[in-house]
Amino acid sequence: QVQLQESGPGLVKPSETLSLTCTVSGGSISSYYWSWIRQPPGKGLEWIGYIYYSGSTNYNPSLKSRVTISVDTSKNQFSLKLSSVTAADTAVYYCAREMKGELRVPSALPKGSLRTQYYYYMDVWGKGTTVTVSS
Amino acid sequence: SYELTQPLSVSVALGQTARITCGGNNIGSKNVHWYQQKPGQAPVLVIYRDSNRPSGIPERFSGSNSGNTATLTISRAQAGDEADYYCQVWDSSSWVFGGGTKLTVL
Repeated sequence: QVQLQESGPGLVKPSETLSLTCTVSGGSISSYYWSWIRQPPGKGLEWIGYIYYSGSTNYNPSLKSRVTISVDTSKNQFSLKLSSVTAADTAVYYCAREMKGELRVPSALPKGSLRTQYYYYMDVWGKGTTVTVSS
Repeated sequence: SYELTQPLSVSVALGQTARITCGGNNIGSKNVHWYQQKPGQAPVLVIYRDSNRPSGIPERFSGSNSGNTATLTISRAQAGDEADYYCQVWDSSSWVFGGGTKLTVL
């Protein structure tokens, strides 16, 4: 089955750039969305952003100015860069796959017809990697 | 931005039924997913699209979603169900997580 593994430095200095890679094994990176999520110590989950295998991205508005997510399909990897880090960026960072589901729902027109609605959920997660921001 | 509200903690006696709620404005119109996270481990999907169980998740886990509240129900609670539980929805082009609920099995 598909497995994800995060890798990268565990310690980053303030104001520098955090760089992590997620390696996908047991399956292809193609045809899926891939997300980064983080969890500060003792706190909840925060979505950072996702990338489609084709390279299109979407970021959390609260982090958008500092985040870049990229993909390397030849290596079955995707990566996260978070710039200008502070102590508040100290967290466990997870990568996850977004699985796509389909639902047939009533369509407005033509009357009585159905349309396909897609939804997504995170079905596979990496084990996480701890990143500490400190001088 | 959209907010999901979960109780900080829920307690349940061994073998009884636990219910964890996730509140949000008209959440019934959204697809809600639930994750279980045990200490030191990554989250695990336990319910997707309101009430669907992934393969390998016990039937004791079920979900519902209506109005302004989604609920994760754990029947016949076991010691191994002790964990943090997070609800999640997609809103305005972003994933949103609830703050998490710590389930204690007494």
